[in-house]
Amino acid sequence: GESVGLHLPTLSVQEGDNSIINCAYSNSASDYFIWYKQESGKGPQFIIDIRSNMDKRQGQRVTVLLNKTVKHLSLQIAATQPGDSAVYFCAETPYNFNKFYFGSGTKLNVKP
Amino acid sequence: EPEVTQTPSHQVTQMGQEVILRCVPISNHLYFYWYRQILGQKVEFLVSFYNNEISEKSEIFDDQFSVERPDGSNFTLKIRSTKLEDSAMYFCASMHGGAYEQYFGPGTRLTVT
Repeated sequence: GESVGLHLPTLSVQEGDNSIINCAYSNSASDYFIWYKQESGKGPQFIIDIRSNMDKRQGQRVTVLLNKTVKHLSLQIAATQPGDSAVYFCAETPYNFNKFYFGSGTKLNVKP
Repeated sequence: EPEVTQTPSHQVTQMGQEVILRCVPISNHLYFYWYRQILGQKVEFLVSFYNNEISEKSEIFDDQFSVERPDGSNFTLKIRSTKLEDSAMYFCASMHGGAYEQYFGPGTRLTVT
């Protein structure tokens, strides 16, 4: 796969605002899409997922939107909190879950 | 809450040496994965393992890499002859199968000198 430079795109938001993090995926055959949160020094942590037969799914304070036409995935975080500061990765996988492709990540910086 | 554990947290080795990274997945999980993450970059899939065999491997997972589930609890990644470019964080993950959420371990930082 391609290597990504050391500088992640950064989204800075004020505490309490809503955040939208975007991701473009590449594989039309992907069946399942996931958002992960990675805090410094830790492994990725599952946030929310969506299957390819859906276009929207809501969780607690988070919503994932899937647009298969343009291969675009977004994560919306409502009322962003300082604890949401982390790097967010999207990932895609085919129906058999044998291989997960991760996106390049977005750093979310929440200002108090 | 059950969690994936990995040992060691940090491994320093010389180029050409063999290393074994160890993982204990969540006990009732059936699918196991290894990933690596070079500092500041995205997470890269290495290999998936199900039913005591490799399901899929990436182009990174060449003949220098191997995985094993030697008993009912451990899942290991072996690098036979480490190279400088193998320096990275290595994450193990497991998934139940009935639910499709992957749980990641805290990672092993491998430094090859």
